[in-house]
Amino acid sequence: AQTVTQSQPEMSVQEAETVTLSCTYDTSESNYYLFWYKQPPSRQMILVIRQEAYKQQNATENRFSVNFQKAAKSFSLKISDSQLGDTAMYFCASYNYGQNFVFGPGTRLSVLP
Amino acid sequence: DAGVIQSPRHEVTEMGQEVTLRCKPISGHNSLFWYRQTMMRGLELLIYFNNNVPIDDSGMPEDRFSAKMPNASFSTLKIQPSEPRDSAVYFCASSHRQGANEQYFGPGTRLTVT
Repeated sequence: AQTVTQSQPEMSVQEAETVTLSCTYDTSESNYYLFWYKQPPSRQMILVIRQEAYKQQNATENRFSVNFQKAAKSFSLKISDSQLGDTAMYFCASYNYGQNFVFGPGTRLSVLP
Repeated sequence: DAGVIQSPRHEVTEMGQEVTLRCKPISGHNSLFWYRQTMMRGLELLIYFNNNVPIDDSGMPEDRFSAKMPNASFSTLKIQPSEPRDSAVYFCASSHRQGANEQYFGPGTRLTVT
């Protein structure tokens, strides 16, 4: 069965600084997808970034980038130049093609002014 | 597009009552997901449909829960009878190609069972 672990229940960062959120996953499949979702206080779930496991290049979206270490089954999210609007719960998730979509427990990130 | 639409946004009901949550996915999406979010258990996938067919309902907690997708533009999640431990936020999401692509989430329904 797939599992997704986020070992940091809460984190904080100063505005304009960089922060990295950790995620590890467990799968026996070779064809899978990894995601980071953001849930701000408004409760709306928003996709931050998506990575296809067969692609070695790390995905980036503006200030958000990932460090995808396939052998270590690690998928960390780096947020550069943190902004107050980045304050949210961040969920790591994995999908094995044809199987279930699994979310991690989340990391609550606070960006401090 | 209006995005994924869920109704009602809030529901308060008494234990034992039937509750029906509704979802309209984004037009053209062929996969639909129902999630439950609580502080204790986090975000749980309850069931998902592909082309209106239930693919995996292993996350449905018990027989009191049922979900249907009679057509590509509508799905329901029903709880009968409801219990206080069902209190949670229920999200509906839709996507192309099952879980491989981005899931677009609705605003959620906050259910309170007293």
